[in-house]
Amino acid sequence: DVVVTQSPLSLPVILGQPASISCRSSQSLVSSDENTWLNWFQQRPGRSPRRLIYKVSNRDSGVPDRFSGSGSGTDYTLKISRVEAEDVGVYYCMQGTHWPKTFGQGTKLEIK
Amino acid sequence: EVQLAESGGGLVQPGGSLRLSCAASGFTFSRSWMSWVRQAPGKGLEWVANINQDGSEKNHLDSVKGRFSISRDNAKNSLFLQMNSLRAEDTAVYYCAIGEGAVWGQGTLVTVSS
Repeated sequence: DVVVTQSPLSLPVILGQPASISCRSSQSLVSSDENTWLNWFQQRPGRSPRRLIYKVSNRDSGVPDRFSGSGSGTDYTLKISRVEAEDVGVYYCMQGTHWPKTFGQGTKLEIK
Repeated sequence: EVQLAESGGGLVQPGGSLRLSCAASGFTFSRSWMSWVRQAPGKGLEWVANINQDGSEKNHLDSVKGRFSISRDNAKNSLFLQMNSLRAEDTAVYYCAIGEGAVWGQGTLVTVSS
């Protein structure tokens, strides 16, 4: 199975400051159709996960533009330009290129 | 509005069975890959199974192969997960999701315990 490793696992951030989460995979996530199936999810406390970013850098509908995704190959990053109180929760990256689809361990973002 | 509503969870003894359902609305169900993803209490996310649009292609996590089976009924806009030979480690909230997780339901809790 493809192992997906996130860092940091805990991310205390001051309101209004930027935040960054790294995601590394044990294999390239570029598929045979040349797509890269790397997604980012947010899970607020007590809620279902919500997808923020699909295929590395595409924001889902309704996702604020302070969220951005980038990366290639085996290294990917989620950035929040200015953290707001509603951003508190756990963030997961997920690779969908190889079966089984696998998630990172999650990064818990809290307000410092 | 796109909606997914899971049902069928509950408390079951080890070795027992449950059938989860997911009622879909607000999108063209028959044109969408569908998935089941689970989350053990206090833990991360685990992709359990997915199925293509007409049900001809299915993938299951190795740890559930031979015990769980994903299926769908496009006429009823419904997704299913038949779970047999349940184990304590299957205890989790089970979510249905569209495709690569574009939309998720609220989840249904499965507890396997004697």
